[in-house]
Amino acid sequence: DQQVKQNSPSLSVQEGRISILNCDYTNSMFDYFLWYKKYPAEGPTFLISISSIKDKNEDGRFTVFLNKSAKHLSLHIVPSQPGDSAVYFCAARQTGANNLFFGTGTRLTVIP
Amino acid sequence: KAGVTQTPRYLIKTRGQQVTLSCSPISGHRSVSWYQQTPGQGLQFLFEYFSETQRNKGNFPGRFSGRQFSNSRSEMNVSTLELGDSALYLCASGSAGWAVSEQYFGPGTRLTVT
Repeated sequence: DQQVKQNSPSLSVQEGRISILNCDYTNSMFDYFLWYKKYPAEGPTFLISISSIKDKNEDGRFTVFLNKSAKHLSLHIVPSQPGDSAVYFCAARQTGANNLFFGTGTRLTVIP
Repeated sequence: KAGVTQTPRYLIKTRGQQVTLSCSPISGHRSVSWYQQTPGQGLQFLFEYFSETQRNKGNFPGRFSGRQFSNSRSEMNVSTLELGDSALYLCASGSAGWAVSEQYFGPGTRLTVT
């Protein structure tokens, strides 16, 4: 049972434009959400996170939006750069536990 | 500050054998979690250790076990290997106490079972 879903396996964006990666979840007990970026042959790298008490968190070119009523979060990358090309994983943590539930990832390709 | 290290990076084993993977967390981190990544299932949580105690466990069979040492290094063991155990095994470390926020991943151990 996939509690965190990334329905788009891939996304292509032109350099300089906005990349929007989406993530949906089903468990209302999730209290913390994270985005990770993964390059081939490397482990996931933490990118940005958001607590369930917030609806937006920004860090440079990266912004995460959380819509709790819709159980949906999104990662915006503006402007997109070729170095952003990687697989992006959405993850969520349940209240009282430390394990993360991951989505299956979205492969972002930024075209120069 | 050194990152999370995992050894070995690559491993080939035969069905029925057992394997032990090692993870050294970031210095000062006391939480170590293990995940299995497969193409079809994505990353799935195996277990988490904190101060030498397993405090959370995922939905994997008992063939998968782990432990943590006093220096926070952790090992994961898989007994009676099956073909389906072929995967990338990732270790992540985290700081803080009960509520671990960001987890930092190592490069993983690629296990191939033939």
